[in-house]
Amino acid sequence: AQKVTQAQTEISVVEKEDVTLDCVYETRDTTYYLFWYKQPPSGELVFLIRRNSFDEQNEISGRYSWNFQKSTSSFNFTITASQVVDSAVYFCALSEAAGGTSYGKLTFGQGTILTVHP
Amino acid sequence: EAQVTQNPRYLITVTGKKLTVTCSQNMNHEYMSWYRQDPGLGLRQIYYSMNVEVTDKGDVPEGYKVSRKEKRNFPLILESPSPNQTSLYFCASSDRFNQPQHFGDGTRLSIL
Repeated sequence: AQKVTQAQTEISVVEKEDVTLDCVYETRDTTYYLFWYKQPPSGELVFLIRRNSFDEQNEISGRYSWNFQKSTSSFNFTITASQVVDSAVYFCALSEAAGGTSYGKLTFGQGTILTVHP
Repeated sequence: EAQVTQNPRYLITVTGKKLTVTCSQNMNHEYMSWYRQDPGLGLRQIYYSMNVEVTDKGDVPEGYKVSRKEKRNFPLILESPSPNQTSLYFCASSDRFNQPQHFGDGTRLSIL
């Protein structure tokens, strides 16, 4: 069964600090997809990134970067020079694709509450 | 405008009174899904649908029913709601299961 663990329940930083949100996943499939979503205080869920299991290339988008390491089953998210607007709950999610019993199922982690203080 | 629309946004009701939360998307997406969000538990998938007339259980399906008779609609039915179903519910859709989800604004249900 697929599983996603975000061990950091809450993180508090001061503006301009760098912060890394951890995501560890479990799956038996060789083909799977990983996602990060952001939920700001207003409550909507916003897609940030998708990565498939065959693409271990790290990605950078402005102040955001993602480190995907299959060897450690991790897909960590780093915010560089954090800003108050980054305050939100961040979710990591996993979807398996190999046609097993979890095919089509999307499993989210517990979420990490990030608070950026001015 | 591409969107996923849930109704109602808020509902307070009593134990045992059947209720339906509607979900509609205008993007012709094949995949639709329902989640509940509870503090400390993140988002948990209730049911999902890969296409019309195809539905499957997520991680927490007990006490819920769904149907997918049309591509655009995916209602969530609570036949006999109980207080432990008090939660924030999200509907989502995507082209396929492995594509980014578009989420509705959420429905806050309180079962007394």
